[in-house]
Amino acid sequence: NFMLTQPHSVSESPGKTVTISCTRSSGNIASNYVQWYQQRPGSAPTTVIYEDNQRPSGVPDRFSGSIDSSSNSASLTISALRTEDEADYFCQSYDVNDHGVFGGGTKLTVL
Amino acid sequence: EVQLLESGGGLVQPGGSLRLSCVASGFTFSSDAMTWVRQAPGKGLEWVSSISGRGGSTYYADSVRGRFTISRDNSKNTLYLQMNSLRAEDTGVYYCAKRILCDVWGQGTTVTVSS
Repeated sequence: NFMLTQPHSVSESPGKTVTISCTRSSGNIASNYVQWYQQRPGSAPTTVIYEDNQRPSGVPDRFSGSIDSSSNSASLTISALRTEDEADYFCQSYDVNDHGVFGGGTKLTVL
Repeated sequence: EVQLLESGGGLVQPGGSLRLSCVASGFTFSSDAMTWVRQAPGKGLEWVSSISGRGGSTYYADSVRGRFTISRDNSKNTLYLQMNSLRAEDTGVYYCAKRILCDVWGQGTTVTVSS
């Protein structure tokens, strides 16, 4: 199986843009869709990106997802940061046997 | 609106059993795979198990294989997780989610394994 590695934490100021990476340890990042979830303290996760770059209805277009085969990684980019974006973010994918794999999570601080 | 509502969590002694349920609404339940994900206190998300739409295919994390059983009753729009031989490390919040992609999540139910 493979692992997904995320930075433990990132921080940025309101109004700026931040990018969170998610690197796949083996196999091609493009082989299986990557999802991104936001989890605020004390709440269940919610999906902000699915199928690499698709936004669920209700998620603002400040959130975008992409994959980069050259670095075998996926990225979540949040522009025009707001204090309400402060949360933990997790990437997720799955293997050929439909076993899910989560990244360790990234704590985003908006200061 | 798609909704998932988990129940069945609680306090159980090591070695005990518990059955979690997840009632789904707002979509054609039998058309979609379903997934259980858990989160230990202060930790990240861990994929536990998934099941295909008709229930014919099931998948488990190594940490629970042989102890947990995922199932579904499509006539009741309900997903289950039977948890046996529970250990302290099974403690956490258990979420059900729609599809392998987990595009919609429930609010979670808390399982505590302790003597």
